[in-house]
Amino acid sequence: DTEVTQTPKHLVMGMTNKKSLKCEQHMGHRAMYWYKQKAKKPPELMFVYSYEKLSINESVPSRFSPECPNSSLLNLHLHALQPEDSALYLCASSQLPPWEQGRTEAFFGQGTRLTVV
Amino acid sequence: AQTVTQSQPEMSVQEAETVTLSCTYDTSESDYYLFWYKQPPSRQMILVIRQEAYKQQNATENRFSVNFQKAAKSFSLKISDSQLGDAAMYFCAYRRGNYGGSQGNLIFGKGTKLSVKP
Repeated sequence: DTEVTQTPKHLVMGMTNKKSLKCEQHMGHRAMYWYKQKAKKPPELMFVYSYEKLSINESVPSRFSPECPNSSLLNLHLHALQPEDSALYLCASSQLPPWEQGRTEAFFGQGTRLTVV
Repeated sequence: AQTVTQSQPEMSVQEAETVTLSCTYDTSESDYYLFWYKQPPSRQMILVIRQEAYKQQNATENRFSVNFQKAAKSFSLKISDSQLGDAAMYFCAYRRGNYGGSQGNLIFGKGTKLSVKP
């Protein structure tokens, strides 16, 4: 099983809504990531969790709140988003954090296409 | 700071032909890793090939191979016998060696959109 599963695949939400994105992996990976990808752009790192603890927050606005309930699950809670937050949100995982093993491969999910109206 | 440059926004290749995608990077580090990721319309980023900077031998994975020129800081991807399923966005990525903090994370180029003509 080399899958990273993201739900939902598509999400439309209003600026006053609260929603959550979910990411799951069962590969025993100890690092999980959230990326944001705008159209025709490369992914941009948002958060890194290693061993279920938040290791990196790339100065992401507080309206994005990550959570790692256990080693297999990563959530991204959304609140009071803006239309410019509309993007593809990608989750990824790797066996170890990159600072422990530089050659580690990141496995990506198919993403959640988020539209904020 | 490290940067990754892909100078070809779009490329096209005939089915069964060979195509080369370019990537250059800028770094002062000696220990690092380079990756090519493929993102088809299904949106999932898939690792195509990986190169360790300390290895002189170019990495190869079936129809995919790289031309790694460390002195020139160049890392091009060659796709042989192109197939319709190769059509995708291709991202070149760089990661520092085993160091702490966000400097250990992937730095992506802007991508090259590859079309394959039947």
